[in-house]
Amino acid sequence: GAVVSQHPSRVICKSGTSVKIECRSLDFQATTMFWYRQFPKQSLMLMATSNEGSKATYEQGVEKDKFLINHASLTLSTLTVTSAHPEDSSFYICSARPDPENIQYFGAGTRLSVL
Amino acid sequence: AQRVTQPEKLLSVFKGAPVELKCNYSYSGSPELFWYVQYSRQRLQLLLRHISRESIKGFTADLNKGETSFHLKKPFAQEEDSAMYYCALSGRGNTPLVFGKGTRLSVIA
Repeated sequence: GAVVSQHPSRVICKSGTSVKIECRSLDFQATTMFWYRQFPKQSLMLMATSNEGSKATYEQGVEKDKFLINHASLTLSTLTVTSAHPEDSSFYICSARPDPENIQYFGAGTRLSVL
Repeated sequence: AQRVTQPEKLLSVFKGAPVELKCNYSYSGSPELFWYVQYSRQRLQLLLRHISRESIKGFTADLNKGETSFHLKKPFAQEEDSAMYYCALSGRGNTPLVFGKGTRLSVIA
């Protein structure tokens, strides 16, 4: 149990385009999901907390207009990187927390490369 | 402010030797502490949480509030333990996990 599916696993796009990443909890409901970013050989940095039915909470320094988060159902959160630029190239990881536990289960991550 | 410190980037031990991965935290309150493991080309997996007080794959970790530490230990390392280990903290109210920088454990045959 407690499987989180993240799609796509890898995406290459041109500068200026938008990319959507999906995060699904397959066998549980998650009111809260999280989006992290991981740079090479560095730890996970929290970008935002996604709450079902309400606006996401962004960490300081994360542009909410650039990284659009939608959590429309209890099993799906999406992260859209708008007008992507090469500096947005990174590994993005989502996690979901089964209600009402305090454990986060992680997706396999999405490697974004912006050319 | 919440902070998790893992002082060792890389730890190499021989198979059969004891392992201790260090983790110190900073939090004004009662946090919940976790260890996550990431094997090569796999996703992050929960290894231990302090409130469970259990042993997983031979690993244990005890929360020491006086020293604000949550070190991960295993008496006899195995080659399959080679992986990246992250210590993480969740604050009051089930706040998001804050991760340490991770320690890469390499078990040498």
